Amino acid sequence: KQEVTQIPAALSVPEGENLVLNCSFTDSAIYNLQWFRQDPGKGLTSLLLIQSSQREQTSGRLNASLDKSSGRSTLYIAASQPGDSATYLCAVMGTNAGKSTFGDGTTLTVKP
Amino acid sequence: GAVVSQHPSWVICKSGTSVKIECRSLDFQATTMFWYRQFPKQSLMLMATSNEGSKATYEQGVEKDKFLINHASLTLSTLTVTSAHPEDSSFYICSAIQTTNEKLFFGSGTQLSVL
Repeated sequence: KQEVTQIPAALSVPEGENLVLNCSFTDSAIYNLQWFRQDPGKGLTSLLLIQSSQREQTSGRLNASLDKSSGRSTLYIAASQPGDSATYLCAVMGTNAGKSTFGDGTTLTVKP
Repeated sequence: GAVVSQHPSWVICKSGTSVKIECRSLDFQATTMFWYRQFPKQSLMLMATSNEGSKATYEQGVEKDKFLINHASLTLSTLTVTSAHPEDSSFYICSAIQTTNEKLFFGSGTQLSVL
């Protein structure tokens, strides 16, 4: 059974800092890995999708990496802004019927 | 980008009533949709996989008679919480896979409060 762990559970940084969020998974037989953002009381917004054959994806200030063999992914946020404050979730999609397993998330607070 | 619409966004109901939540893929066809439940400050728990034209597949511990899922078309799946009780109060979120890139898109969620 796939298990996904996100560290840290919470992170508070001053505006402008670069930061890294971590996601680890136990079963390397994955189809893809996706990073999401969730604002309080809202649904999920997809940030980046990395296919199992890829090593990284970039979108603006965000960069996600994937090391399947070690079961790790990182989400790098450059020059953080208060608007980046949210909970960030990683989801690992297995090779079976598209089911995804979510981590518990990292709640990020960027202070002005 | 692809959009998944979920309705209603919030609902308050009396104990014992049934509540229907709709999940629509607006600009793509989704043969498979997923229903999740999220408790406060916790991650998403997969409840069931909704397959167009066939019965849903429920995760272990999820009562299929309690949470009725219907996926009658390629763009619509519904979740009906039958005879709702206060312990069913939660945030319910649906998702759909866009088959062209296997990307998951989520609805905006439904906050259910059962009094």
